[in-house]
Amino acid sequence: GAVVSQHPSRVICKSGTSVKIECRSLDFQATTMFWYRQFPKQSLMLMATSNEGSKATYEQGVEKDKFLINHASLTLSTLTVTSAHPEDSSFYICSANPGRGLTSTDTQYFGPGTRLTVL
Amino acid sequence: RKEVEQDPGPFNVPEGATVAFNCTYSNSASQSFFWYRQDCRKEPKLLMSVYSSGNEDGRFTAQLNRASQYISLLIRDSKLSDSATYLCVVIRRGSQGNLIFGKGTKLSVKP
Repeated sequence: GAVVSQHPSRVICKSGTSVKIECRSLDFQATTMFWYRQFPKQSLMLMATSNEGSKATYEQGVEKDKFLINHASLTLSTLTVTSAHPEDSSFYICSANPGRGLTSTDTQYFGPGTRLTVL
Repeated sequence: RKEVEQDPGPFNVPEGATVAFNCTYSNSASQSFFWYRQDCRKEPKLLMSVYSSGNEDGRFTAQLNRASQYISLLIRDSKLSDSATYLCVVIRRGSQGNLIFGKGTKLSVKP
């Protein structure tokens, strides 16, 4: 089946530093990738939709200048948490659609997630 | 009101039991429906899609009632390995396919 990887799997950093998380589709091309965040005991919440070759679409309440998304190729999207603070500590998960012509029924494949802890 | 609502549980059941989870969604424009399973500190994994005609996969049966905006999941003959959080998920018609997750229902199957 389709595989999506994320790197790093876990990161611990000091407050004020920036952290880059990579999401790769390993055996398919993805024109769209999604970035989700999950706080403890909460549901996964969509942060933004990453579109190859164009700007990401952010959900309401998500600061685009703080969470920088770059989808430079059909197999790679990156999320950079700039000037991270303890409240940004969370589980960040990406997903990707293998289908090129997007329909809302396309299956999504999830990366294994990145656990960010900001001290 | 959250767009997808689930009873958080936990449901503590013995091995072999039958357990049912329910989910309601508020947006009538929701088009696609799924149950995902999430193990502790892991990414969600697709369990099954949900259709109005019902969908069965082994011990798992999912059902959608569009009129009531209600989704169910039935697990028969529970195994220890079924212990996880079960996420009810919808996709809105016309969206780019992003998933809207419920908070999940935690299941713990005991020996």
